[in-house]
Amino acid sequence: AQSVTQLGSHVSVSEGALVLLRCNYSSSVPPYLFWYVQYPNQGLQLLLKYTTGATLVKGINGFEAEFKKSETSFHLTKPSAHMSDAAEYFCAVTANDYKLSFGAGTTVTVRA
Amino acid sequence: EAGVAQSPRYKIIEKRQSVAFWCNPISGHATLYWYQQILGQGPKLLIQFQNNGVVDDSQLPKDRFSAERLKGVDSTLKIQPAKLEDSAVYLCASSLDRYQPQHFGDGTRLSIL
Repeated sequence: AQSVTQLGSHVSVSEGALVLLRCNYSSSVPPYLFWYVQYPNQGLQLLLKYTTGATLVKGINGFEAEFKKSETSFHLTKPSAHMSDAAEYFCAVTANDYKLSFGAGTTVTVRA
Repeated sequence: EAGVAQSPRYKIIEKRQSVAFWCNPISGHATLYWYQQILGQGPKLLIQFQNNGVVDDSQLPKDRFSAERLKGVDSTLKIQPAKLEDSAVYLCASSLDRYQPQHFGDGTRLSIL
């Protein structure tokens, strides 16, 4: 079975500052990894995904994530936070059964 | 393309009552999922359909929850009778097939009094 742990349930950043959201995974087989964003009262929207190949993955809205097998991590970053980035972010993992297992989520607030 | 449609958006019922949620996936998507998202947690898969067949319902509380996907398109999820711990957002998602990214609807927020 696979699982993810998101470190930090809340992150507060200043507008223009770096956004860093941490995700560590556990999987007995090579994983596929995802980051989703959820705005208030909306469903989840895919930000980016890692399947195979390049370990640095670029997504929408200026976000990127790097798969580090040695650290079992898939941290999400954005160089410069915008007010519109305030939302909840979920890391998810799937393996050969293609069933998504989600982390508990990290809420991002952006200070003006 | 039109997204995943869910209704109602909000529902308030008393415990022991029954409730049903409806989902219309993106046209052509063969795989449909129902998730339960309790406040402060990530979504948890309840059931997965491939066309109109159930692929995985291992985490569906079958004594009170039921789901169907008639004709491999729309789907309904029912709870009968509801318990206080069923208060959550119920998300529907669909994908072209189980190997493709999932697209989520906006969910139904259920409150049990």
